Amino acid sequence: KAGVTQTPRYLIKTRGQQVTLSCSPISGHRSVSWYQQTPGQGLQFLFEYFSETQRNKGNFPGRFSGRQFSNSRSEMNVSTLELGDSALYLCASSLAARQVGANVLTFGAGSRLTVL
Amino acid sequence: AQSVAQPEDQVNVAEGNPLTVKCTYSVSGNPYLFWYVQYPNRGLQFLLKYITGDNLVKGSYGFEAEFNKSQTSFHLKKPSALVSDSALYFCAVRDPLNTGFQKLVFGTGTRLLVSP
Repeated sequence: KAGVTQTPRYLIKTRGQQVTLSCSPISGHRSVSWYQQTPGQGLQFLFEYFSETQRNKGNFPGRFSGRQFSNSRSEMNVSTLELGDSALYLCASSLAARQVGANVLTFGAGSRLTVL
Repeated sequence: AQSVAQPEDQVNVAEGNPLTVKCTYSVSGNPYLFWYVQYPNRGLQFLLKYITGDNLVKGSYGFEAEFNKSQTSFHLKKPSALVSDSALYFCAVRDPLNTGFQKLVFGTGTRLLVSP
């Protein structure tokens, strides 16, 4: 079956702009989370969604936001981009809690954002 | 708060030799522990997990890991390394007492280089 699909794969923005990244989870996966990966900070949790509800949020400023749709697809948005937002943004999906295999996250290939 | 330490930035091993990638963790409750691998320009791929049960966990591609509660360690091992094992390896922990299901705390990663 198809994996986690993230679009776009690469994008370049300038400071002050805003960006929207999209994630389509594996069919049947209702939990979606987002992570930021940078050389300096490593992998950091952004947020987690289940059934269109944000279940958990990492320590990021309010410029970072997300949402999940009824078909489990998710988007994240970063407003007023800063140079430090340049990163690989990874989306992961999993089965719902209490389902067999629910603890395993399946990651997409990521969206690489460069802010100039 | 939970944390993960991967003390080695890089591990070098010759093909055919055994390999070990080290990981120690800190969590208030019983940990859920994971190993993921990342190849260039790819997302993270799940290797194995420890939730409960046998301390020796076997995973994908011949990898295994041993959970040691007294030493709070979860080292990744493989009896015979392959050149194709060269990649970036991440240890991660989830605190099951935390709200949210997909929030993992990752280590800084260890680059494994297997020479022919």
